[in-house]
Amino acid sequence: EPEVTQTPSHQVTQMGQEVILRCVPISNHLYFYWYRQILGQKVEFLVSFYNNEISEKSEIFDDQFSVERPDGSNFTLKIRSTKLEDSAMYFCARQHGTSMYTQYFGPGTRLTVL
Amino acid sequence: TQLLEQSPQFLSIQEGENLTVYCNSSSVFSSLQWYRQEPGEGPVLLVTVVTGGEVKKLKRLTFQFGDARKDSSLHITAAQPGDTGLYLCAGEATRSNDYKLSFGAGTTVTVRA
Repeated sequence: EPEVTQTPSHQVTQMGQEVILRCVPISNHLYFYWYRQILGQKVEFLVSFYNNEISEKSEIFDDQFSVERPDGSNFTLKIRSTKLEDSAMYFCARQHGTSMYTQYFGPGTRLTVL
Repeated sequence: TQLLEQSPQFLSIQEGENLTVYCNSSSVFSSLQWYRQEPGEGPVLLVTVVTGGEVKKLKRLTFQFGDARKDSSLHITAAQPGDTGLYLCAGEATRSNDYKLSFGAGTTVTVRA
């Protein structure tokens, strides 16, 4: 299966700054997802994206977060005003081509908010 | 959110021994995935199980989905140091519209040479 790539691999930012995390799912698939993993904790669902719209979002995904697919390929997660507690690994995932239940994850972006 | 409990949290065994990791829930899942995650990297898919009672084998790894689709296990036969890692189970709730996954906290497996 084609890989999911994410950029940057590591982002360091000051509290209150905006960050944009990028994901490039190589193939076109129906569903895309963002998850996050705070150090030492579970992987948590943030948002699902289907047909260029948000399908579902978790309680974590508040007004500071947004997602879009501006050019039909890149899939971005924006955090408008970062907080210390936003420091985490952020993973993009895509649905498998033929198995709707299976998701493939990208390598992640480590976000550090100072 | 569907809660998945993994046990044990940590497991340390000698090379050549067998091990089993458990993933349990009070909820029913449409599917359950097992992933392996290395430090600082994304989860890497090992297997997806969909049917209650399903058993899948991947070399020395055997995965089972419970009959009621509420639990799963991962069994490693004759473990090797290369099996060392964090093993995660993740399930998709039966009423999910978008196949989003709920993850367990993971089991850290250490295989000593």
